[in-house]
Amino acid sequence: DGGITQSPKYLFRKEGQNVTLSCEQNLNHDAMYWYRQDPGQGLRLIYYSQIVNDFQKGDIAEGYSVSREKKESFPLTVTSAQKNPTAFYLCASSIPPGRKNTGELFFGEGSRLTVL
Amino acid sequence: QQQVKQSPQSLIVQKGGIPIINCAYENTAFDYFPWYQQFPGKGPALLIAIRPDVSEKKEGRFTISFNKSAKQFSLHIMDSQPGDSATYFCAARLGGGGNKLTFGTGTQLKVEL
Repeated sequence: DGGITQSPKYLFRKEGQNVTLSCEQNLNHDAMYWYRQDPGQGLRLIYYSQIVNDFQKGDIAEGYSVSREKKESFPLTVTSAQKNPTAFYLCASSIPPGRKNTGELFFGEGSRLTVL
Repeated sequence: QQQVKQSPQSLIVQKGGIPIINCAYENTAFDYFPWYQQFPGKGPALLIAIRPDVSEKKEGRFTISFNKSAKQFSLHIMDSQPGDSATYFCAARLGGGGNKLTFGTGTQLKVEL
């Protein structure tokens, strides 16, 4: 089935360690996104990529890094510079919005990162 | 800066009731307003969406009402069911061809029997 796969589902990390969250999609979508979800704050955009080998910072990019070497993959690295990394991370993909489509975001099931 | 304000934060209704979730925005350059539904432990999924040239859109039991002059839009769930218990997010997208969404803070809805 087509969709977005995020792994791992749960991850524990010690302070000072970098961690990489995986996101793979087989929907053949050009655009991919990383959001962070915290209670009471909604979804905030970390990074997005509209095409392979290109990505842009979102609203809260500090302490995060990404790469987009393949269309199907958009991994997110949470670095030790991120001051409050404990959160639920969501990856999404979409096709560009146009006359015949809305640019709907398709989300994965998320990765919950806990820093001990 | 919160560009899309959503209320209430949580809502409890009885089965068959009509919960209403409200959102307000400031930027008149937004051109697309979707609502996403999220069940616990899952990613959000698109529920219904509206463009600002329409005042109302209905899909099944879900209706969006849009007031362009007031810069407000709301989600109504008719004949609510326990299976509708979820978190609902409104969102807004800037026009210009991109696809960056600004989300509201979410409303946790519980429908009781």
